[in-house]
Amino acid sequence: KAGVTQTPRYLIKTRGQQVTLSCSPISGHRSVSWYQQTPGQGLQFLFEYFSETQRNKGNFPGRFSGRQFSNSRSEMNVSTLELGDSALYLCASSLVASGSTDTQYFGPGTRLTVL
Amino acid sequence: DQQVKQNSPSLSVQEGRISILNCDYTNSMFDYFLWYKKYPAEGPTFLISISSIKDKNEDGRFTVFLNKSAKHLSLHIVPSQPGDSAVYFCAASRQNTDKLIFGTGTRLQVFP
Repeated sequence: KAGVTQTPRYLIKTRGQQVTLSCSPISGHRSVSWYQQTPGQGLQFLFEYFSETQRNKGNFPGRFSGRQFSNSRSEMNVSTLELGDSALYLCASSLVASGSTDTQYFGPGTRLTVL
Repeated sequence: DQQVKQNSPSLSVQEGRISILNCDYTNSMFDYFLWYKKYPAEGPTFLISISSIKDKNEDGRFTVFLNKSAKHLSLHIVPSQPGDSAVYFCAASRQNTDKLIFGTGTRLQVFP
């Protein structure tokens, strides 16, 4: 079974631009979560989607948004990029979300560099 | 407010010996705990998990212990191998959510 895939793997943008990252979960997985990893802050939760609905949101500004499609694929958008948005963005999927303690499986991440 | 803490940023262990990585949490509502291993520029790889109804879970060389009263969990790797060298993150979650709260990680180095 294929794992979580993320595209693109690497991205370079300039300040003020916007970016869209894509995540395809493991087949059959319905929950997708996004995390930001930076050297200083570690892994921080961005948001969680289940059945096209955002179920949880972390403490990030409104410039960070996401959505999930009916096939469970998810996209994350960051508008008006800032230098501090440079990070590894990780997507994780799990089988079900409601009342579950399912394990989340991570993709390889998208390395975003903002110049 | 760091709800999940890994107080040792690094650990160095000789091959064949036991590696013990520690994690503390503050939120008593957490009921599911996981350990992930991470190499640079890659996503975390799931290692082992434990539910709050258990105090121990074992999978091969990896064992996780949970002490709910102390809000402490630990990962034991026996015997340690050079391939275990990576950053290890503990994470916690609450029921009805997939939101994982991660610790800051411990870099394990296993030397020959």
